[in-house]
Amino acid sequence: KAGVTQTPRYLIKTRGQQVTLSCSPISGHRSVSWYQQTPGQGLQFLFEYFSETQRNKGNFPGRFSGRQFSNSRSEMNVSTLELGDSALYLCASSLTGQGFSGNTIYFGEGSWLTVV
Amino acid sequence: DAKTTQPTSMDCAEGRAANLPCNHSTISGNEYVYWYRQIHSQGPQYIIHGLKNNETNEMASLIITEDRKSSTLILPHATLRDTAVYYCIVRDSGGGADGLTFGKGTHLIIQP
Repeated sequence: KAGVTQTPRYLIKTRGQQVTLSCSPISGHRSVSWYQQTPGQGLQFLFEYFSETQRNKGNFPGRFSGRQFSNSRSEMNVSTLELGDSALYLCASSLTGQGFSGNTIYFGEGSWLTVV
Repeated sequence: DAKTTQPTSMDCAEGRAANLPCNHSTISGNEYVYWYRQIHSQGPQYIIHGLKNNETNEMASLIITEDRKSSTLILPHATLRDTAVYYCIVRDSGGGADGLTFGKGTHLIIQP
């Protein structure tokens, strides 16, 4: 079956703009989480959604937000982009969520965001 | 989640078994050991996970010590495509939805 799909794969934005990234989880998965990966900070957890509700949030400013739709698809938004937001943004899905280690978390290929 | 310690980098000859160690001395009884790898510019790929027994799948084997304070990921016949950063992660078995904590991982380089 299809894996986690993220769009777009690559994008360039200007400082001050906002961006929306999209994620389609594996069919049947209800949990979607987002991560940011930069060379300096590594992989960092942004937030997790389950049944359209944000269940947990990492330590990121309010400029980073997300939502989940009834079909489990998710979007994340970054407003007022800064140069430091340049990163690989990864979406991951699992059946019931990150807190239950009986179900594995699968990652998409990511969206490369460059802020200039 | 418990903290893990992995070597920064390792080399392995193509065709040989690659053994990647992970120390998780503070692991608690309900925490699983997970392994992921990340090939440059791609998303992390799930490899294998286990609680206390050794596990094997089509990609790798996971050996967990009896005291569960360390584990070893084994790639039985490494190929050049196995060159990647390998992450060892421990996760609680229930409750909460905290994100996975990725350390710096081990950069495995397969030599031809």
